[in-house]
Amino acid sequence: GDSVTQMEGPVTLSEEAFLTINCTYTATGYPSLFWYVQYPGEGLQLLLKATKADDKGSNKGFEATYRKETTSFHLEKGSVQVSDSAVYFCALSTTGGGNKLTFGTGTQLKVEL
Amino acid sequence: DTEVTQTPKHLVMGMTNKKSLKCEQHMGHRAMYWYKQKAKKPPELMFVYSYEKLSINESVPSRFSPECPNSSLLNLHLHALQPEDSALYLCASSQVGWGGDTQYFGPGTRLTVL
Repeated sequence: GDSVTQMEGPVTLSEEAFLTINCTYTATGYPSLFWYVQYPGEGLQLLLKATKADDKGSNKGFEATYRKETTSFHLEKGSVQVSDSAVYFCALSTTGGGNKLTFGTGTQLKVEL
Repeated sequence: DTEVTQTPKHLVMGMTNKKSLKCEQHMGHRAMYWYKQKAKKPPELMFVYSYEKLSINESVPSRFSPECPNSSLLNLHLHALQPEDSALYLCASSQVGWGGDTQYFGPGTRLTVL
């Protein structure tokens, strides 16, 4: 079946540091890939997405590239801020899956001054 | 506008109570979803409605009863819940419910069962 593996958290960074959160996937079909962010006490917000190989999703300074050859969709940001502190979920859905989202376990990011 | 609204924001109920959660979207989406999220875990899919018909039920206990009165509205009726049902309940919607379709989430209802 489909699965998503994310790096374990929490990840603690200083403000303005470079961020990478690794995400790899296994899928039987040809998936679309997503990053969602959840701030404390809130629901999930779509951060970015990519629907085909080599697509790059980007939003608010965050980027991720759909790498079919390595089955990866790593999230990066060049300079994090305290306001980026949240839990980040990598997810996929496939055309044959009734649009069921398969989530990774989530990675908590803490950014300190 | 990609807004999904949920009411109430918080709900405390006893095990013998009956309550309902409400979700609304005005984006013209034809698929709507209920998820349950426990602390420090990813959301777990409960139900999917596509074109106002229940298309997926992830073996959810019958004390949870979904309803989709129209394409903009989704309810979750709760009855005789257990303390372990305490969680954040998230609603989401997407354009048509096909694989790869982007799901947009509401802020959630935090449910506490006493």
